[in-house]
Amino acid sequence: AQSVAQPEDQVNVAEGNPLTVKCTYSVSGNPYLFWYVQYPNRGLQFLLKYITGDNLVKGSYGFEAEFNKSQTSFHLKKPSALVSDSALYFCAVRVPNSGNTPLVFGKGTRLSVIA
Amino acid sequence: DTAVSQTPKYLVTQMGNDKSIKCEQNLGHDTMYWYKQDSKKFLKIMFSYNNKELIINETVPNRFSPKSPDKAHLNLHINSLELGDSAVYFCASSHIRAGEQYFGPGTRLTVT
Repeated sequence: AQSVAQPEDQVNVAEGNPLTVKCTYSVSGNPYLFWYVQYPNRGLQFLLKYITGDNLVKGSYGFEAEFNKSQTSFHLKKPSALVSDSALYFCAVRVPNSGNTPLVFGKGTRLSVIA
Repeated sequence: DTAVSQTPKYLVTQMGNDKSIKCEQNLGHDTMYWYKQDSKKFLKIMFSYNNKELIINETVPNRFSPKSPDKAHLNLHINSLELGDSAVYFCASSHIRAGEQYFGPGTRLTVT
């Protein structure tokens, strides 16, 4: 069964500093990996995905993520954090060509960017 | 021109009542989903429909019944509401072979 782990419930970072939100996954095939962001009282917004190809994926709002197959990780990064980046971040995984499997989400990491 | 819309946004009702949540997507996707987000923000898939056919039905009580009248709509009907049904319910859509799903704004259901 596929699963996703986000080891940190909360990440605090000062505005202007780089940020990293960690994600590791466990699947039995080649994964599709995703990051979503949820602002208060809003739905999830798609940030970026890894399907195949370049391990460094660039997404919305200056975010990027690096797929590391050997470490089964897909950490979300941003070179310079903004206060407006404060939100709840979800990593998700899906195994393609495995039938109609849904996205499996991690439990979320709350990012707080302090001015 | 909202991509995935849900109504209502808030729903407050008493135990034992029956309620429905509607979802519509205008993205031309062939697959739609219902997720439940609990008070700890944990997201769990409930149902998935592809071209109006049920393809995923996770361990959800029979009181929950999805209905898809066409590819663009997926409604969720809940019978005999219980306190534990209080949560935020999200609708989403995608192409079945694609990756990302697009989410609606959510419906906050409160059962008193």
